[in-house]
Amino acid sequence: ETGVTQTPRHLVMGMTNKKSLKCEQHLGHNAMYWYKQSAKKPLELMFVYNFKEQTENNSVPSRFSPECPNSSHLFLHLHTLQPEDSALYLCASSQEVDRVGGYTFGSGTRLTVV
Amino acid sequence: KNQVEQSPQSLIILEGKNCTLQCNYTVSPFSNLRWYKQDTGRGPVSLTIMTFSENTKSNGRYTATLDADTKQSSLHITASQLSDSASYICVVTPGGGADGLTFGKGTHLIIQP
Repeated sequence: ETGVTQTPRHLVMGMTNKKSLKCEQHLGHNAMYWYKQSAKKPLELMFVYNFKEQTENNSVPSRFSPECPNSSHLFLHLHTLQPEDSALYLCASSQEVDRVGGYTFGSGTRLTVV
Repeated sequence: KNQVEQSPQSLIILEGKNCTLQCNYTVSPFSNLRWYKQDTGRGPVSLTIMTFSENTKSNGRYTATLDADTKQSSLHITASQLSDSASYICVVTPGGGADGLTFGKGTHLIIQP
């Protein structure tokens, strides 16, 4: 394991459901990120949190709502998703938002919207 | 627009053979370039990082090269093993305080016995 734990590993939800993805790290990192990985596309940055404060929202639709209660935990709340939102959602952390790219990634949540 | 292009998109080789993956980028200014390995169903794991002044960096059977003049990098895998089957992603960090990493789409490598 990398030190970044994501749950659940797999999630199937209907378009009217509400669900949450969870990410936890005990690496002492101060920055956490949500990325979306779709087939045959580069990773897309969704949200950045630094010391629990959101510093970046990369034009993500409001049906995705992040929450960062502390530097070790990050959630992604999902509601009224669309089938095109089906993807692998990756959480990552780094010591600081240092832009060096030294991220530790979790294993991801494979989301399927039906 | 900053871009990272990787080739080939996918590659199949026999176990024990060598292979080379390519990464071309247009990111400028440049800070560093990383190669990540992503096993199926897992998150990416960093293999190497190179800054502007570094030409080559090795990590076991993985050797990355960087030509900052032509904005090209390669990842060479020697004596491939079945466990090398994965996607390999090239990631470029901009310099000069600019925001945002630029990710390539990855090369999907399959090692056949």
